[in-house]
Amino acid sequence: GQNIDQPTEMTATEGAIVQINCTYQTSGFNGLFWYQQHAGEAPTFLSYNVLDGLEEKGRFSSFLSRSKGYSYLLLKELQMKDSASYLCAVRDRYSGNTPLVFGKGTRLSVIA
Amino acid sequence: DGGITQSPKYLFRKEGQNVTLSCEQNLNHDAMYWYRQDPGQGLRLIYYSQIVNDFQKGDIAEGYSVSREKKESFPLTVTSAQKNPTAFYLCASSILPDRVNTGELFFGEGSRLTVL
Repeated sequence: GQNIDQPTEMTATEGAIVQINCTYQTSGFNGLFWYQQHAGEAPTFLSYNVLDGLEEKGRFSSFLSRSKGYSYLLLKELQMKDSASYLCAVRDRYSGNTPLVFGKGTRLSVIA
Repeated sequence: DGGITQSPKYLFRKEGQNVTLSCEQNLNHDAMYWYRQDPGQGLRLIYYSQIVNDFQKGDIAEGYSVSREKKESFPLTVTSAQKNPTAFYLCASSILPDRVNTGELFFGEGSRLTVL
């Protein structure tokens, strides 16, 4: 079966660093995605990892360990606008436009 | 500008009525998807289509139907057989992933359906 786990909620302080973890057990693996979703809006793409290691994109970084079935999203210099849900998603097959399997999301609250 | 357009944004339906949600994209993407989002549940796949005139069931297809007569359009019908239709519905599209493209999903703004 498929299982993607993330913490339900997290709180962090403005200006700080926060790490959102994601673990997955899927029948196959062909990439892991992180999306940001503000309340009532569409998810927007943040990052993609298919090989082990760290991908950095401005204030956001994402890490992947395929052997451990583990990823994290790192947000630095937190801003109030970073308050949102963060969705971890996995493509679990190698061929075609395989739909992504999503975790339940982590709701991040940034406080002053 | 290229993008995905969903309509209507808000929709109210009486029990026993079918309703169709529209999804149009001008990104020239081959694949299109419908997901449902409930509070605390994440996104769950209803149907997807990789090519015109072909589509596959996702994890929660019961009570829904789709068509893919044109590359740009992938409407979703919520039928009266869907027991719990009140939800936020998200349409997405993507290209085929390869060495250069990640094949990430691009989402529409969503349609919020409420059954009265």
